[in-house]
Amino acid sequence: GQQLNQSPQSMFIQEGEDVSMNCTSSSIFNTWLWYKQDPGEGPVLLIALYKAGELTSNGRLTAQFGITRKDSFLNISASIPSDVGIYFCAGLIRSNDYKLSFGAGTTVTVRA
Amino acid sequence: DSGVTQTPKHLITATGQRVTLRCSPRSGDLSVYWYQQSLDQGLQFLIQYYNGEERAKGNILERFSAQQFPDLHSELNLSSLELGDSALYFCASSEGVGGQPQHFGDGTRLSIL
Repeated sequence: GQQLNQSPQSMFIQEGEDVSMNCTSSSIFNTWLWYKQDPGEGPVLLIALYKAGELTSNGRLTAQFGITRKDSFLNISASIPSDVGIYFCAGLIRSNDYKLSFGAGTTVTVRA
Repeated sequence: DSGVTQTPKHLITATGQRVTLRCSPRSGDLSVYWYQQSLDQGLQFLIQYYNGEERAKGNILERFSAQQFPDLHSELNLSSLELGDSALYFCASSEGVGGQPQHFGDGTRLSIL
């Protein structure tokens, strides 16, 4: 699959904080997706982005499809304890026959 | 609840053995995807079926095979198992033929001893 570089690898959140993570690639993507995975469960689709520059929200989550089509960002506003988990970016690329490639994930935990 | 059902939840077996993982997609979804999740490789796309036909193939080993039946449930067969095959195997489904899985099951954890 295509190489997706997701950062940061992990982060600590304090309740009420805004946090952000991003995903970059050297390839141009047609679709960007963001998933969240809780322990013992499968990933859950949070947001799907289909056009360069598109900004989409899902509650306190906002994601953007980068203008260059090579990156995407996810922001979580006013974080709460249930935001902990692993967030994955994923991308679809026409030249790869639309096979989904995943980033390595950003692990979000609560700061003690 | 994603509506995707995977069985079994856990599977422990030995090297050289063969296992079958089962997936029932969300009602109304025609596409089924299989993914492997391991600590060192992350989430890797294996294969996609749409309405009974193979649609796309990813990094699936020759020792692995899959199929989707007329009732749309799917099975992933893993044979000649090796220690490195230990992983979480996820099934996902979507309504359309595009490569965007919308609903994931909770996975089958395969442990090879």
